[in-house]
Amino acid sequence: QQPVQSPQAVILREGEDAVINCSSSKALYSVHWYRQKHGEAPVFLMILLKGGEQKGHDKISASFNEKKQQSSLYLTASQLSYSGTYFCGTERYQTGANNLFFGTGTRLTVIP
Amino acid sequence: NAGVTQTPKFRVLKTGQSMTLLCAQDMNHEYMYWYRQDPGMGLRLIHYSVGEGTTAKGEVPDGYNVSRLKKQNFLLGLESAAPSQTSVYFCASKFYSSGTEAFFGQGTRLTVV
Repeated sequence: QQPVQSPQAVILREGEDAVINCSSSKALYSVHWYRQKHGEAPVFLMILLKGGEQKGHDKISASFNEKKQQSSLYLTASQLSYSGTYFCGTERYQTGANNLFFGTGTRLTVIP
Repeated sequence: NAGVTQTPKFRVLKTGQSMTLLCAQDMNHEYMYWYRQDPGMGLRLIHYSVGEGTTAKGEVPDGYNVSRLKKQNFLLGLESAAPSQTSVYFCASKFYSSGTEAFFGQGTRLTVV
């Protein structure tokens, strides 16, 4: 039921780019992206509601391909502050609610 | 603005003991959730609530009970703790069911020995 993320972990040097992928075997109606720093709560980055939608802020952006049932998170010119674990979440209907189901995460480490 | 507050932040239990985790939100959100986070497993949904007085099972509900007597509070109970319930527990809330961000509490690290 969980979406599948890849890669599981990536190490970058400051200034390098990274792509994190999220795919689902079930139809995707929306995709959330969160970042969690060690010992802290997940923090919302963005949500994509429509197939083909792209969003971004700062140097982090994401795309959503509804037909392929996948989303990608793009981190460009990475900074040390980007380190953390990134989770995608997909909404799926259960009794009375569209609940969020999360992938297993991608651990991103940015080194000087 | 407190957002979502969980208590306690840390707890050690002996096998068979019981405890209750409290989640409180001050954003007037209808939807509240309890997740557990284990290494390599991501966040898994335990129980959820679509409003005051309602609860429903998520992916991994066995061994847990919940209550939502007041809109702002969502309680997670462990009646007889087991080592398999050692985990970090996160509460989250959303304004709408769909298409809105989830706000998370700071987490409760529970160890069952």
